[in-house]
Amino acid sequence: GESVGLHLPTLSVQEGDNSIINCAYSNSASDYFIWYKQESGKGPQFIIDIRSNMDKRQGQRVTVLLNKTVKHLSLQIAATQPGDSAVYFCAERGVYTGTASKLTFGTGTRLQVTL
Amino acid sequence: EPEVTQTPSHQVTQMGQEVILRCVPISNHLYFYWYRQILGQKVEFLVSFYNNEISEKSEIFDDQFSVERPDGSNFTLKIRSTKLEDSAMYFCASRLESSGNTIYFGEGSWLTVV
Repeated sequence: GESVGLHLPTLSVQEGDNSIINCAYSNSASDYFIWYKQESGKGPQFIIDIRSNMDKRQGQRVTVLLNKTVKHLSLQIAATQPGDSAVYFCAERGVYTGTASKLTFGTGTRLQVTL
Repeated sequence: EPEVTQTPSHQVTQMGQEVILRCVPISNHLYFYWYRQILGQKVEFLVSFYNNEISEKSEIFDDQFSVERPDGSNFTLKIRSTKLEDSAMYFCASRLESSGNTIYFGEGSWLTVV
């Protein structure tokens, strides 16, 4: 079956350092991936997405890398700030069929930013 | 910035009671979803809704669950007879259309069944 999982449950980084959050997925047919940030008591907040025909996409302070060969996804956050402290989820979507395709979420990594 | 809004933010209900969770998706979006998150666990898909009908549903979405878009703006999730294990955060989400648009989530409705 399909599954999306995260390597590390908790990641602690110092303010100003770069953070790398990893995610493994098993459904090789997935064509779209999203990173979400979830702060305590709030809903998942979109950070960045990437299609399966790309291997890298950059946003503001964030970069997503996709390695389809090993089915691995990573989120890089540059110059991590205290406001980045949250749980980060990767999510995948199976091959788009023209209907309302669902997302499958990973288990989450908690990012703790220390001063 | 447009957002998905949900009410109530928190509801406590007795086991066996009916609960309706309400959502107002982003106005021009066409696809609607309910997800849930049991405390400390990952976000799980419940149901997707498009063109006034369910597109897909998970094993969790059994006969006790139903969804409705009664008036063109609200999107509701009804749990007919709540169980203790229904306690969770329920997220409504919506998407514009086409294959590339991302799914935007609301802040969630925290349901506690006692």
